[in-house]
Amino acid sequence: GAVVSQHPSRVICKSGTSVKIECRSLDFQATTMFWYRQFPKKSLMLMATSNEGSKATYEQGVEKDKFLINHASLTLSTLTVTSAHPEDSSFYICSAQGTTTTNEKLFFGSGTQLSVL
Amino acid sequence: GQSLEQPSEVTAVEGAIVQINCTYQTSGFYGLSWYQQHDGGAPTFLSYNALDGLEETGRFSSFLSRSDSYGYLLLQELQMKDSASYFCAVRDRSGGFKTIFGAGTRLFVKA
Repeated sequence: GAVVSQHPSRVICKSGTSVKIECRSLDFQATTMFWYRQFPKKSLMLMATSNEGSKATYEQGVEKDKFLINHASLTLSTLTVTSAHPEDSSFYICSAQGTTTTNEKLFFGSGTQLSVL
Repeated sequence: GQSLEQPSEVTAVEGAIVQINCTYQTSGFYGLSWYQQHDGGAPTFLSYNALDGLEETGRFSSFLSRSDSYGYLLLQELQMKDSASYFCAVRDRSGGFKTIFGAGTRLFVKA
């Protein structure tokens, strides 16, 4: 099956620093990737849709200058949390959508637990 | 916008059958998916319904009624390892295709 690799799995940083999270589709080309945020025992909240070669589409209430998304190739999307603050602490998880008939299925990375001190 | 409702928690015993319901509201409905997530893990795809009816995949089945904006996930022959959170998710085509998740149902399977 399709594999999505997400790094790092866990990061602890000081308030005010920026953190980059990478999401790679390992064995397929992902024209579209999605970034979600999840609080403990809560749902996955869609933050943005990342399309290869174009600007990301952010959901209402998500600050685009705070959460920078780049999708430079068909296999890599990055999320940078800029000037992180404790309230940004959360589980961030990416997913990729296939380009074939299985494009209704999302393949998820293993997630990144961000802790901002 | 979109909204989905599903029960927050369900408890069942090993070997039993459990049904997790999901109702949704969205203007650009395209399909309904179900995902399983164990604590600390990534969601994994279980099933997808775009048309009315029942889809069966092993012990798991999923049903959709588009006219009722309703679906359910049926888990049979429950095993302890099925204890997890189950999310229904709508694939929505308004504003570009995206998948919006419900709040999740935590399933506890007891011996």
